Amino acid sequence: NAGVMQNPRHLVRRRGQEARLRCSPMKGHSHVYWYRQLPEEGLKFMVYLQKENIIDESGMPKERFSAEFPKEGPSILRIQQVVRGDSAAYFCASSARDGLGEKLFFGSGTQLSVL
Amino acid sequence: AQKVTQAQTEISVVEKEDVTLDCVYETRDTTYYLFWYKQPPSGELVFLIRRNSFDEQNEISGRYSWNFQKSTSSFNFTITASQVVDSAVYFCALSEVPQETSGSRLTFGEGTQLTVNP
Repeated sequence: NAGVMQNPRHLVRRRGQEARLRCSPMKGHSHVYWYRQLPEEGLKFMVYLQKENIIDESGMPKERFSAEFPKEGPSILRIQQVVRGDSAAYFCASSARDGLGEKLFFGSGTQLSVL
Repeated sequence: AQKVTQAQTEISVVEKEDVTLDCVYETRDTTYYLFWYKQPPSGELVFLIRRNSFDEQNEISGRYSWNFQKSTSSFNFTITASQVVDSAVYFCALSEVPQETSGSRLTFGEGTQLTVNP
């Protein structure tokens, strides 16, 4: 019973390159969230997706960032033309709802370093 | 707007001591959920507990216990007889009741770095 799988674990990019972060939710989970953890800070919500739909992207930077959760395959967080300020840990969480609400399970994160 | 405050940035204890991590939250919602997560040095986030706002019973799980006080908007976490393996960053988080348009966005506190020394 695999948990939330994120890859790569570490990603190094030079300024101006593209970063693609992947997240496979837990089996049976159809909701995916992306969070970002900047150095010395807590986690901040970025985007909430269901299969083939972006439900809430209020936490996403307006430019260069995009996310998708296709019908088949993992969810992808894409950062174009990365800058040093994008260096952070990016966490994906998946969830299933029960009678009491929703419980989020997080992956191990992708540490993005921009040189 | 929701807000979570973890006033203790760092705590250092000696093994076997009890330690309490404080969490205070703000929300306008009458129904909400509170969480604690552990982030060990390896970096992953480990779910510890979810608490509903309408259930004020305290909870104990092994050496862990949680004290939910709605009147003071606090959800404190106590580790009894701490161990070196408890060393981690602990995050308190708050979410509204999940909606179709917003899901369960978690608002996290800044985290408390707990160091348990042998």
